[in-house]
Amino acid sequence: GDSVTQMEGPVTLSEEAFLTINCTYTATGYPSLFWYVQYPGEGLQLLLKATKADDKGSNKGFEATYRKETTSFHLEKGSVQVSDSAVYFCALSHTGNQFYFGTGTSLTVIP
Amino acid sequence: GAVVSQHPSRVICKSGTSVKIECRSLDFQATTMFWYRQFPKQSLMLMATSNEGSKATYEQGVEKDKFLINHASLTLSTLTVTSAHPEDSSFYICSAAEGPEKLFFGSGTQLSVL
Repeated sequence: GDSVTQMEGPVTLSEEAFLTINCTYTATGYPSLFWYVQYPGEGLQLLLKATKADDKGSNKGFEATYRKETTSFHLEKGSVQVSDSAVYFCALSHTGNQFYFGTGTSLTVIP
Repeated sequence: GAVVSQHPSRVICKSGTSVKIECRSLDFQATTMFWYRQFPKQSLMLMATSNEGSKATYEQGVEKDKFLINHASLTLSTLTVTSAHPEDSSFYICSAAEGPEKLFFGSGTQLSVL
């Protein structure tokens, strides 16, 4: 069945460091891929998405490229800020409503 | 953006008691809501799909008599964990669909059963 595997955390970075959170998936067909972010005390929020191979999703300085050949959707940001501290979830969906999530990766950015 | 309110955010209960978790869409109507569960170091797993006015659809391995879902209105779905046991301790999160690919999540409920 469909599944998502993402790197375990927690991840701790200094401000302005480069961030990569790895995500790979297993799926039938061609799902859409997503990154969600959960800030402390809040619900999951859509960060970015890509709907087909080679698409790049981007938002707030974060980027992820849908790589069909490696079944990956790694999240990157060139320079993280303290305000980026949150839990990041990689996910896939065929329908746009029913999702398969990874385990979540907790990121802490220290000044 | 749209807001989904989930309450309570944290609950501690004794083994054998029942716990109700509410999920409300505050500024839109949601014909479909979803309930997820996350055990430590595991993925968020879909438990059930809740449709307003009809019975919920449960994923394989989820006991429908233990996890009662009621979606009585277009803005409210509830999940009741009946006769909770320590193995039910988990993080529960709901989501509500405003439309295709317009999904909004609650902030989650951490349930601890003693």
